[in-house]
Amino acid sequence: DQQVKQNSPSLSVQEGRISILNCDYTNSMFDYFLWYKKYPAEGPTFLISISSIKDKNEDGRFTVFLNKSAKHLSLHIVPSQPGDSAVYFCAASPNAGGTSYGKLTFGQGTILTVHP
Amino acid sequence: DGGITQSPKYLFRKEGQNVTLSCEQNLNHDAMYWYRQDPGQGLRLIYYSQIVNDFQKGDIAEGYSVSREKKESFPLTVTSAQKNPTAFYLCASSIQGRGSYEQYFGPGTRLTVT
Repeated sequence: DQQVKQNSPSLSVQEGRISILNCDYTNSMFDYFLWYKKYPAEGPTFLISISSIKDKNEDGRFTVFLNKSAKHLSLHIVPSQPGDSAVYFCAASPNAGGTSYGKLTFGQGTILTVHP
Repeated sequence: DGGITQSPKYLFRKEGQNVTLSCEQNLNHDAMYWYRQDPGQGLRLIYYSQIVNDFQKGDIAEGYSVSREKKESFPLTVTSAQKNPTAFYLCASSIQGRGSYEQYFGPGTRLTVT
């Protein structure tokens, strides 16, 4: 039962263009969402997050959009750079407090390749 | 430099043997986590601990055990009961409460059981 899905295993983009990575979820209890970035042979690093009370959060070149009715979120990277080439994971949590704090459910990941 | 250390980077074991993976952090974080990653799959939570001497099962705890005797250490034992132990294991830590979603990960240990 995959509660967080990234249906595109890979994405290839030209440098300077926009990269759009998508993520769908099924659990209506999820209300906090994050994107992590992972380079080969390293652990993931936190990139950006969004709470369900918002529909957009921006941090420099990275913007996350949340559509709660569609249970869909996306990460936009503008402009894309070759250094952005990595695996991107979306993650979700019920934010229910107590022992649920920090309990993340991850998607399968999308490999982004940005060509010079 | 603050961070998370996992050792060793590669680990090989024979089937039927228990093996313990090390995770140490010097970030002064209260919460620590263990994840497993398999090819084509996301990270799956094995165990997590929000405070010393306390831990909770994640989504795939069967065949694993943990201890949290010190704030900076959260070792994971892969027991012989784990049916498919070969995987990439990641340890993470975070502050407690609402900041716990922003987790800091170690470099991982790749375990191969034959």
